[in-house]
Amino acid sequence: AQKITQTQPGMFVQEKEAVTLDCTYDTSDPSYGLFWYKQPSSGEMIFLIYQGSYDQQNATEGRYSLNFQKARKSANLVISASQLGDSAMYFCAMREGRRYGGSQGNLIFGKGTKLSVKP
Amino acid sequence: GAVVSQHPSRVICKSGTSVKIECRSLDFQATTMFWYRQFPKQSLMLMATSNEGSKATYEQGVEKDKFLINHASLTLSTLTVTSAHPEDSSFYICSASGEVGDTQYFGPGTRLTVL
Repeated sequence: AQKITQTQPGMFVQEKEAVTLDCTYDTSDPSYGLFWYKQPSSGEMIFLIYQGSYDQQNATEGRYSLNFQKARKSANLVISASQLGDSAMYFCAMREGRRYGGSQGNLIFGKGTKLSVKP
Repeated sequence: GAVVSQHPSRVICKSGTSVKIECRSLDFQATTMFWYRQFPKQSLMLMATSNEGSKATYEQGVEKDKFLINHASLTLSTLTVTSAHPEDSSFYICSASGEVGDTQYFGPGTRLTVL
């Protein structure tokens, strides 16, 4: 079963409008972290926002906010006031506690959503 | 934020040769580094996790003798693709994280093309 599900392969949004990118996750670990990364065509992975499973409030970083609904196991990314430079692939990822004896477990990625911002 | 570099950014090699990719954390000490592979239009797939000074832990299906990982210091990890074949052509990305619970920061990636 998929751990991270992003149901929207592609999305279009008009410049200056808000857009929500969906992400649902599956885990039985009570301690986990949820991440969103942006990957432009250059390939680099840019960290956007993080939400811990015990965080009471939704995370926000500038124009990015994470709509965390724990009971539904969803962690949707909301981008407000879209800009042309927001056009990219967006990946939702989850880290499930400590897995390899190291300081933290690895990230499990969803398949991504390609966002295109129209002028 | 934390900066991670990768070198080279792009490499083309002949089949049968070995290629080394370096991943460096420039402004923080990375206790753990991760290596991912990404095929075109697909998601990132974890290949292995390495902690400084210890052997890497490989994901199922990843040949450890083919993809050699060395994490010799808190700022450097290397991935060597040995005897590369065309099917190894891919985008390889490393990430690094520091303290417990810290975010993973990614390098810019290395595009490997094996002819």
